[in-house]
Amino acid sequence: DVKVTQSSRYLVKRTGEKVFLECVQDMDHENMFWYRQDPGLGLRLIYFSYDVKMKEKGDIPEGYSVSREKKERFSLILESASTNQTSMYLCASRDPGGGTEAFFGQGTRLTVV
Amino acid sequence: QQPVQSPQAVILREGEDAVINCSSSKALYSVHWYRQKHGEAPVFLMILLKGGEQKGHDKISASFNEKKQQSSLYLTASQLSYSGTYFCGTQPYNAGNNRKLIWGLGTSLAVNP
Repeated sequence: DVKVTQSSRYLVKRTGEKVFLECVQDMDHENMFWYRQDPGLGLRLIYFSYDVKMKEKGDIPEGYSVSREKKERFSLILESASTNQTSMYLCASRDPGGGTEAFFGQGTRLTVV
Repeated sequence: QQPVQSPQAVILREGEDAVINCSSSKALYSVHWYRQKHGEAPVFLMILLKGGEQKGHDKISASFNEKKQQSSLYLTASQLSYSGTYFCGTQPYNAGNNRKLIWGLGTSLAVNP
């Protein structure tokens, strides 16, 4: 059974903390993605990675960074968490090509207080 | 380039039908459909690649028009389990970039007894 696994389902962090969200996939996919999901705003792409150590900014990269040291793992880093980063974060992976489906993790609900 | 989904929300009684549309201003390589239940990850429904294509399983089907700028998702004889938010993800024609999907804002579907 294919899987994308996010390290935490719920997280509560304080303003200013450095936050790490981890995502692991077991499908040997080249591409991995971090999205942020807020009511009425759909899925907004933060960053994606198309190979180990390779990354590209998405639509809303400000305040975030990413790391991909191994093919199966893609980390999202909030350098200094702020309350406006309270959100649901979704990780996804897929192979390249227009006809391949995306697999999503279960999501991490992050609350910054 | 974000596709436009319509309607934004729909409420059905069990057994009724619904159509959700996803429109792009430019021709697309593919359209992907996903359903997300509250508190869960988006789940893949189907991909359409060819103009004029129709696909379906069970009572959920989709079409991709000849110009490949619009896709419609058809839910017939709706069941309570169909409730959720439906997203279309589009893959534009863009040589050398086949990695990202561009998502619509979603259509919230509620099926009541």
